[in-house]
Amino acid sequence: GAVVSQHPSWVICKSGTSVKIECRSLDFQATTMFWYRQFPKQSLMLMATSNEGSKATYEQGVEKDKFLINHASLTLSTLTVTSAHPEDSSFYICSAPWTGRAFFGQGTRLTVV
Amino acid sequence: GQQVMQIPQYQHVQEGEDFTTYCNSSTTLSNIQWYKQRPGGHPVFLIQLVKSGEVKKQKRLTFQFGEAKKNSSLHITATQTTDVGTYFCAGPYAGNNRKLIWGLGTSLGVNP
Repeated sequence: GAVVSQHPSWVICKSGTSVKIECRSLDFQATTMFWYRQFPKQSLMLMATSNEGSKATYEQGVEKDKFLINHASLTLSTLTVTSAHPEDSSFYICSAPWTGRAFFGQGTRLTVV
Repeated sequence: GQQVMQIPQYQHVQEGEDFTTYCNSSTTLSNIQWYKQRPGGHPVFLIQLVKSGEVKKQKRLTFQFGEAKKNSSLHITATQTTDVGTYFCAGPYAGNNRKLIWGLGTSLGVNP
């Protein structure tokens, strides 16, 4: 099956700093990847669609200047949380579609202190 | 807009009892998928249903896709503690089958 690797799995950062999260498809090419945010015991909230070679598509209410997405290659998408604040603390998870299914990274637990 | 609703949101059962979660879409779906997310983990694909009225089984799990392709269910027979987790249904967005619309999930707890 397809493997999606996400790094780091957890990160603690100070308020005001930026954090970059990487999502890689290891054994397939992903022209599209999706970034989600998940609060404890809640569902997946789609933040944006990452498109290789073009701008990301953001969902309504998601600040594109705060959550920067770059999809520079067919196997790598990055999400940068800029000027992070405690309310940005959450579980961020990426997925890539392959053969009609969604394959998820392991997720990144971000804590902003 | 297009919506996928899932109930119940939470359910706790005694080990050995059965469990069912239901998924309803506001639109007809080309397929429906089910995923399981263990506590602290990421969603993992379980199954995809494509045909109207389709029923598929995976050991103690039975998945159904409604005749109108707008609803689906996941039934677990004789739950075990290993079944603990959140079960999500998801279907493709109309006009973009790479993008999935997700149900809110059903969190299952199993008391040993």
